[in-house]
Amino acid sequence: GAVVSQHPSWVICKSGTSVKIECRSLDFQATTMFWYRQFPKQSLMLMATSNEGSKATYEQGVEKDKFLINHASLTLSTLTVTSAHPEDSSFYICSARPPGQTFPYSGNTIYFGEGSWLTVV
Amino acid sequence: QKEVEQNSGPLSVPEGAIASLNCTYSDRGSQSFFWYRQYSGKSPELIMSIYSNGDKEDGRFTAQLNKASQYVSLLIRDSQPSDSATYLCAVHSNSGYALNFGKGTSLLVTP
Repeated sequence: GAVVSQHPSWVICKSGTSVKIECRSLDFQATTMFWYRQFPKQSLMLMATSNEGSKATYEQGVEKDKFLINHASLTLSTLTVTSAHPEDSSFYICSARPPGQTFPYSGNTIYFGEGSWLTVV
Repeated sequence: QKEVEQNSGPLSVPEGAIASLNCTYSDRGSQSFFWYRQYSGKSPELIMSIYSNGDKEDGRFTAQLNKASQYVSLLIRDSQPSDSATYLCAVHSNSGYALNFGKGTSLLVTP
C-alpha cells in the first residue's frame, strides 16, 4: 500500500478560489516533506521544502504567499493554492523520507505521493 | 543553477531491442543518481539507483555512472511495450534533501 498518500487525486476549482492538497506519511514520521509541481511534458520542479513545526523553505520564483505550506504534524503537510488562476493548473506531487538516514540517501526510501491534479477554470 | 539534462525524445525502439537513455548533470558534488519511470498522470516510480562509477544491473535494467564526465545512463534490454513511459533522471547533491529532476525522456516501444 501507499506509504505517502495525497488527497485529493484531482480537483477542479474556480479561478480566484483556494484549494488545499494534503500529503500524509502513513508508516513513518516525516520531519521533512517536499512539494513538487509538474506541468505537462515538463520535469518535476521543487516548489518548497516543508519542515515540521517551522516555516517552509521556498525555491526561487515560488510565491510563498500564494502557495501556503503547513506542516503542523509529523505525518501531515498541506499545500494551499490561494487565489488560484488557470496558470496554476498542474500536477502537484509530494515526497517524504523517513528520518534517521545518512547521506547518500537510498532511492528506495524516498517515497512519493500519488500526485494531485489541479485544474483551475 | 544545478542542471539535470535529458533528451526529451521521443525515443522509439522496436520490441526486444535495447533502449538507451542518457542524462548529464552539472553539480559535481552530486552523490546519488536515480532513474524513475513515470506513466502519464502518475507519480514517478523508482527503477534504479546508482552511487558509484561503473555499471549496476537489475534484471533488464542497467544503470551506468561516470562522475568524471558527469554522465549517467539507463539501458533497458529486451524492451517491452509496457516499458513505454517517460524516464526521469534525478540527482541528489550533498547540499540538500530534495531530488533534482531532468525533464525526462519519452520512450515508445513499438510491437
